[in-house]
Amino acid sequence: AQRVTQPEKLLSVFKGAPVELKCNYSYSGSPELFWYVQYSRQRLQLLLRHISRESIKGFTADLNKGETSFHLKKPFAQEEDSAMYYCALSGWSSSNTGKLIFGQGTTLQVKP
Amino acid sequence: GAGVSQSPSNKVTEKGKDVELRCDPISGHTALYWYRQRLGQGLEFLIYFQGNSAPDKSGLPSDRFSAERTGESVSTLTIQRTQQEDSAVYLCASNSISGGFTDTQYFGPGTRLTVL
Repeated sequence: AQRVTQPEKLLSVFKGAPVELKCNYSYSGSPELFWYVQYSRQRLQLLLRHISRESIKGFTADLNKGETSFHLKKPFAQEEDSAMYYCALSGWSSSNTGKLIFGQGTTLQVKP
Repeated sequence: GAGVSQSPSNKVTEKGKDVELRCDPISGHTALYWYRQRLGQGLEFLIYFQGNSAPDKSGLPSDRFSAERTGESVSTLTIQRTQQEDSAVYLCASNSISGGFTDTQYFGPGTRLTVL
């Protein structure tokens, strides 16, 4: 079964502290993994995807196929990082529709 | 350019009534998706359109839910005989699928449906 698990509903850190938002997935093919973010009163938007292997707003995420994880990390959290973060996967196969399977989301709260 | 738009932004209805939710995707995007987010839960996939056809309807929760897309543009999600458990934020997203990879999905602001 295809599933994305984000074990933490809420992660609260102080400004300047490191952040790691956990994401584990279950998928029997070649998944594409994404992190989407929703800031207060804004629409859901892509933060980063594993294929790009880039750092966005200081965030990085590495796909670990052995551990089936795609944790999101940032070495020094900023107050403007406070938002809801969703991990998502999409399958790439001949029957791929591109639909996203989302985790339940983690609220990141960065305190001053 | 303009992003994905949805209307209405909020809809309050009485149990048993029908509702229609509208999505205007980004111009030129051939793929369109509907998702639902119930309170405290993640987004659930409902239906996928490629052009005007819907090859994947696997997420529609019951036959009270239906959707159509016309002119490879606007899509309407219809919920008949609404129930309280239909209360959720309904999100629409669009993208262009190319080369076997999934391009970024661009989301609309959502329609918050409340069934009393």
